[in-house]
Amino acid sequence: QVQLVQSGAEVKKPGASVKVSCKASGYTFTTYAIHWVRQAPGQRLEWMGWINSGNDNTEYSQKFQGRVTITRDTSATTGYMELSSLRSEDTAVYYCARPRYGDSAAFDIWGQGTMVTVSS
Amino acid sequence: DIQMTQSPSTLSASVGDRVTITCRASQSISSWLAWYQQKPGKAPNLLIYKASSLESGVPSRFSGSGSGTEFTLTVSSLQPDDFATYYCQQYNSYPYTFGQGTKLEIK
Repeated sequence: QVQLVQSGAEVKKPGASVKVSCKASGYTFTTYAIHWVRQAPGQRLEWMGWINSGNDNTEYSQKFQGRVTITRDTSATTGYMELSSLRSEDTAVYYCARPRYGDSAAFDIWGQGTMVTVSS
Repeated sequence: DIQMTQSPSTLSASVGDRVTITCRASQSISSWLAWYQQKPGKAPNLLIYKASSLESGVPSRFSGSGSGTEFTLTVSSLQPDDFATYYCQQYNSYPYTFGQGTKLEIK
């Protein structure tokens, strides 16, 4: 079945970096983009950026520009999100998500989420 | 950035009730709007895309309408499984943004 499986929870110190993976299966990886969305405790969902899994083009939210890098490995059918210079406000659940076919960003498939805790 | 504002933030209702949640965009987003349901500790689940198209597998008691800046999600007859938090999301322009959520509680 179509699914996205993310890497496990992380605990990081302020100033460190974190890299979350998102393993895709059940569909042709290069046909669909991978987006990243985060949710801080009790907060709304927040879109971070996306990668075109076919041509490697990326687009980032200006809020995270310079701190986030989204990549993919087509041979591993895996997407990655790396966030640097972590601060306590980055404590959140990070999700990868796949848009519906033919739709730019209505997400029908989500990963299970990866909790990232930033604490000294 | 386009601001998405949902109302109400909390809604208390009973099984069988018809409920409506409103989402307003700070500028026109045409029909590039999605609705999601989220339960505690789980990823969101897509209900509606392009403002009014029902996602496959979603019960027909869910419906969406609107265009431009004002949108609604209606549940025609609440079921026990529907008590959750609902989010709207615009995908007309970057950065894509979400509403603050509407928590649907059992009265």
